[in-house]
Amino acid sequence: DIQMTQSPASLSASVGDRVTITCRASQSIGTYVNWYQQEPGKVPKLLIYGASSLQSGVPSRFSGSGSGTDFILIINSLQPEDFATYYCHQTYTTPWTFGQGTKVDVK
Amino acid sequence: QVQLQESGPGLVKPSETLSLTCTVSGASISHYHWSWIRQFPGKGLEWIGFVYYGGSTQYNPSLQSRVTTPLDTSKNQFSLKLRSVTAADTAVYYCARRIQISTSPVFAFDIWGQGTMVTVSS
Repeated sequence: DIQMTQSPASLSASVGDRVTITCRASQSIGTYVNWYQQEPGKVPKLLIYGASSLQSGVPSRFSGSGSGTDFILIINSLQPEDFATYYCHQTYTTPWTFGQGTKVDVK
Repeated sequence: QVQLQESGPGLVKPSETLSLTCTVSGASISHYHWSWIRQFPGKGLEWIGFVYYGGSTQYNPSLQSRVTTPLDTSKNQFSLKLRSVTAADTAVYYCARRIQISTSPVFAFDIWGQGTMVTVSS
């Protein structure tokens, strides 16, 4: 199975901050990475697909980049509703696997 | 607006079969591919398997010997059956729609059900 390793596991930030979350795959997976946001008590929500494409309705402060084994999710100007856990997810090959999550909380 | 809703028992005894149903509204299950995903109490996510609109399936090898995901087009539902459960199967179970982005080989889960907590305990 392809392992997806996120860093950091958690971070503290303030409204207005720029936040960067990293995801590393255990083998090269092209750009077959998605990012999901899960607010506390809620369902995962698709933010980014294909490493860098913004899902419809997602604010433009979210962006993704990367290819091969290293991927980044950036949140520009963090908003109150962005305090959540973020997961990367590979669809290069089955079994599809997820990162362990990065929790963004209030500093 | 497409919506998914999981239903089924919240408590299952060890060694028994976990059975859940996902009811789809706002779309025909015959037009998309579907999936089951679970989230453990520690928050890790695990893909369980796909059920394709023709009824064929693909499962996580770690669960393949214990899982089936039948489709019921007459009710616009699909199900999850996980046999011989243990405490390690305690999780929130989600059904989700798998989409393909245009004609590219890019896939994602774009719509999720609300999830249902299943506890395995005697």
